[in-house]
Amino acid sequence: LAKTTQPISMDSYEGQEVNITCSHNNIATNDYITWYQQFPSQGPRFIIQGYKTKVTNEVASLFIPADRKSSTLSLPRVSLSDTAVYYCLVGDMLFRLDSSYKLIFGSGTRLLVRP
Amino acid sequence: GAVVSQHPSWVICKSGTSVKIECRSLDFQATTMFWYRQFPKQSLMLMATSNEGSKATYEQGVEKDKFLINHASLTLSTLTVTSAHPEDSSFYICSARDRTTAGSFYNEQFFGPGTRLTVL
Repeated sequence: LAKTTQPISMDSYEGQEVNITCSHNNIATNDYITWYQQFPSQGPRFIIQGYKTKVTNEVASLFIPADRKSSTLSLPRVSLSDTAVYYCLVGDMLFRLDSSYKLIFGSGTRLLVRP
Repeated sequence: GAVVSQHPSWVICKSGTSVKIECRSLDFQATTMFWYRQFPKQSLMLMATSNEGSKATYEQGVEKDKFLINHASLTLSTLTVTSAHPEDSSFYICSARDRTTAGSFYNEQFFGPGTRLTVL
């Protein structure tokens, strides 16, 4: 499983765009990149997933360069409710029937959005 | 959408007692469920992988006799903390994988809301 490195914390203000970068130098060919969001005393919530280039959904965008050794989660126009911990995970997302797949969480990035 | 529930949401118990936490997939079948533990201000730590109808696979350093996992059906896994001690106080989170996505390149793991365990 590829190890990930993220900034420990980030500060932003309401209405700004926030970009959180994750390094995963040892990413393997079959690995996908997934981001989760976690609020205090809640389980993580899936945000976005991608393999290469750019992925966008109603919540965020995920930018992955050609070498896939890093990825950037982009949150447009953050609000106070986006204050949370964001986790970048890298792993082989193919659902293996032998159920050998598992998610290993890194330290995450604690995002604080100020008024 | 896929929903995973946990019961109870919080529990307080005396040292030496056992506590059972349930994890249910409400609208899908989960061949595999996972149990995590999270201490304050720390990340989630995977404890074990629970497979329906078979023994759980524990991560290194996790005592299987202390944290008993049972995955009796495709929608229910239970974690029992036996002879709990104050150091077992933590936030326990389960997650489940939808078996209908088997073979798909896309896989999303659904997390429960967590259970706060406090051992006095």
